[in-house]
Amino acid sequence: RKEVEQDPGPFNVPEGATVAFNCTYSNSASRSFFWYRQDCRKEPKLLMSVYSSGNEDGRFTAQLNRASQYISLLIRDSKLSDSATYLCVVNKGRGSTLGRLYFGRGTQLTVWP
Amino acid sequence: DAGVIQSPRHEVTEMGQEVTLRCKPISGHNSLFWYRQTMMRGLELLIYFNNNVPIDDSGMPEDRFSAKMPNASFSTLKIQPSEPRDSAVYFCASSLWGLDQPQHFGDGTRLSIL
Repeated sequence: RKEVEQDPGPFNVPEGATVAFNCTYSNSASRSFFWYRQDCRKEPKLLMSVYSSGNEDGRFTAQLNRASQYISLLIRDSKLSDSATYLCVVNKGRGSTLGRLYFGRGTQLTVWP
Repeated sequence: DAGVIQSPRHEVTEMGQEVTLRCKPISGHNSLFWYRQTMMRGLELLIYFNNNVPIDDSGMPEDRFSAKMPNASFSTLKIQPSEPRDSAVYFCASSLWGLDQPQHFGDGTRLSIL
């Protein structure tokens, strides 16, 4: 089983739609979680960290479910500029320095006008 | 503020040649990471350093790959000899400290081995 798994999509949604992605991880001891976005032929950029209590940044909401070992990303009121690949990242860790980072393969989102 | 700086942006070379990729992390960041990204395997962590010391190199594919960080502002990833299957985009990233902090990526080096 892969360490981190994501639905590759593609998700094709109209502007204004709400879309949600999930990412499952295999190790219950995983300790930190992130969502990155990557535009075509560009570097990954941090979208948001995911905290245990869930967190929101504008139109983006991230949640962590430790019991079921998944994190989610909700995008409300989708914009054309949200079109990108969204990568889930997990620190399968024994600590902040002794862990290991795993990236999901990414979920591709296309927002159409 | 300057981000992570990688060079070269593109490299095309023949198999068997030595390839050296370079990275300058963000000033003040204590952790540096080298990644490889391919369509087949996605983004893979190759090695990471804390305070210039390699912490985890278990992602380095084989002995042909080596990485060094002689000081806090410079790192290299070397492939010798290179093979066509090494063709990929190589990213360098840095963070303030360790794996729990957000990482800032460079623009990447697109490597093609003919």
